[in-house]
Amino acid sequence: GQNIDQPTEMTATEGAIVQINCTYQTSGFNGLFWYQQHAGEAPTFLSYNVLDGLEEKGRFSSFLSRSKGYSYLLLKELQMKDSASYLCAVKNYGQNFVFGPGTRLSVLP
Amino acid sequence: EAQVTQNPRYLITVTGKKLTVTCSQNMNHEYMSWYRQDPGLGLRQIYYSMNVEVTDKGDVPEGYKVSRKEKRNFPLILESPSPNQTSLYFCASSTIRDRLPEAFFGQGTRLTVV
Repeated sequence: GQNIDQPTEMTATEGAIVQINCTYQTSGFNGLFWYQQHAGEAPTFLSYNVLDGLEEKGRFSSFLSRSKGYSYLLLKELQMKDSASYLCAVKNYGQNFVFGPGTRLSVLP
Repeated sequence: EAQVTQNPRYLITVTGKKLTVTCSQNMNHEYMSWYRQDPGLGLRQIYYSMNVEVTDKGDVPEGYKVSRKEKRNFPLILESPSPNQTSLYFCASSTIRDRLPEAFFGQGTRLTVV
């Protein structure tokens, strides 16, 4: 089977750092993706990892360990506009995307 | 501009009246997919397609049909909609090659079946 797990909800304070974890078991691996989704809107692409290690993009970083089936998204200097759902997705061997349930992040002043 | 276009954005219909939600992409992507999203349930895949005339069921295909006659279009068909198909629907596309491998999403279609 295919399964992706993420925490359901997280809360953090403006200006802080938050780490959103994702664990996966999929039929093959062709990359791990993070998306941001504001309520009622389409998901927007944040980052992509295909090799182990850290990818940094401004305030956002994503880490991957393929041997552990584990990734995290790190958000620094949190802003109110970062309040959204964060979706972890894996592209499997068949090139199909498998999405996790999403983590709803609330940023408090 | 590279984009995935869904139509309509909003639709209210009655039980049993056939409808089609269109999805079109201009990036020559091989892969296209339909998802529904309900409160607290995340994105659930309905159908996906790896290329023209190749379609596969996702996790929740019951009550839906798709076709992929052309590479750019992937319509979602509800032959006899029911109230439990009231949801927010997203179409997505992606290349199966390495360059820009992420999924691009349409703006979404909010469907209400009464």
